[in-house]
Amino acid sequence: DVVVTQSPLSLPVTLGQPASISCRSSQSLVYSDGNTYLNWFQQRPGQSPRRLIYKVSNRDAGVPDRFSGSGSGTDFTLKISRVEAEDVGFYYCLQGSHWPYTFGQGTKLEIK
Amino acid sequence: EVQLVQSGAEVKKPGESLKISCKASGYTFTSWWIGWVRQMPGKGLEWMGIIYPGDSETRYSPSFQGQVTISADKSTDTAYLQWSSLKASDTAIYYCARWWPPLRYFDYWGQGTLVTVSS
Repeated sequence: DVVVTQSPLSLPVTLGQPASISCRSSQSLVYSDGNTYLNWFQQRPGQSPRRLIYKVSNRDAGVPDRFSGSGSGTDFTLKISRVEAEDVGFYYCLQGSHWPYTFGQGTKLEIK
Repeated sequence: EVQLVQSGAEVKKPGESLKISCKASGYTFTSWWIGWVRQMPGKGLEWMGIIYPGDSETRYSPSFQGQVTISADKSTDTAYLQWSSLKASDTAIYYCARWWPPLRYFDYWGQGTLVTVSS
């Protein structure tokens, strides 16, 4: 199975400051159709997960533009340009390029 | 508006059977895959499997193959996750979510069902 490793696992950030979460896979996530199926989800405390970014860098509808995704191959990053209080929670990457599909272990973002 | 509404929390004993549900509305149920995701207490998300209600094609992650059964009822637009013999280690929140194959992405999520298995 493709192992997806997120870092850091805990990320204390000052309000208004940037945040960056890394997601690394044990194999390239470039699929045979040329697409890279690496997605990001947010889970606020006590809530269901919520979609954020699909195929590395495509922000979903309604997601603030302070969120951005980048990367290629095996290395991917979710960035928040200026952290707000509502961004507190867990962030997960999900690889959909290799069966079985696998989530990263999650990164907890908290306000310092 | 797409909605996935899951059944309520369950408390069961080891060895008992259980079937939880996920009722879909706001879209054509038979045209979209629905999946299940496990979240054990204090842990991350795990991709369990998906079903295409149109023809009941089902795909399980190997970790969950044989441990659970995913099904769907087209007449009621409802997906199900069931166990024949629960274990304490099945204690978790289970989320259903709509799976979008072109993006390999869960776009809409249910509110989650807490399953507690304890003697």
